[in-house]
Amino acid sequence: AQSVTQPDIHITVSEGASLELRCNYSYGATPYLFWYVQSPGQGLQLLLKYFSGDTLVQGIKGFEAEFKRSQSSFNLRKPSVHWSDAAEYFCAARPSSNTGKLIFGQGTTLQVKP
Amino acid sequence: EPEVTQTPSHQVTQMGQEVILRCVPISNHLYFYWYRQILGQKVEFLVSFYNNEISEKSEIFDDQFSVERPDGSNFTLKIRSTKLEDSAMYFCASSARTGPDEAFFGQGTRLTVV
Repeated sequence: AQSVTQPDIHITVSEGASLELRCNYSYGATPYLFWYVQSPGQGLQLLLKYFSGDTLVQGIKGFEAEFKRSQSSFNLRKPSVHWSDAAEYFCAARPSSNTGKLIFGQGTTLQVKP
Repeated sequence: EPEVTQTPSHQVTQMGQEVILRCVPISNHLYFYWYRQILGQKVEFLVSFYNNEISEKSEIFDDQFSVERPDGSNFTLKIRSTKLEDSAMYFCASSARTGPDEAFFGQGTRLTVV
């Protein structure tokens, strides 16, 4: 079945430390891939997306993600985390170009220690 | 910056009552969606709407759910007879196209069925 998996439910990092949030997808072909962030009381905001070309994509707020076809992964990274990055992060996939449906992972809650 | 707006932000309703959740998508978008997130679970796709008709729906979207675009700006989700298990955060989203286009999400309506 088509699915998106985020193995880490909760991650805690110290402010200034690097961050990597994992995402794996299970699809026959490469889907369109997205990372969204949800801060408390807010909607989902797009951080970045991948659909073709360079496998390292840059997003907003200093985030980047790398698509690895061999590992069916699209991990989100940030070199230095800020306290304001504490939020819930969702990886999502859109299976093909003729659907708008997004399939979401379970989400990873990021806590930032001072 | 254009945004998707949802009203109300929180709705409490009695089991068996009808509720209507409202959304104003981004004005030049053509595709509209509803998602829900039960507390502690992943964001789930409910339905997509294009050209005044449902283009795709999930197995969750049964006969008690309906969507409508009553005028040129609003997009509504109606739940005819609410159940306790309908308690969730409901997100509206819109996009200009399918495929790689970003879906813009509203801040959500928290529905509590008592």
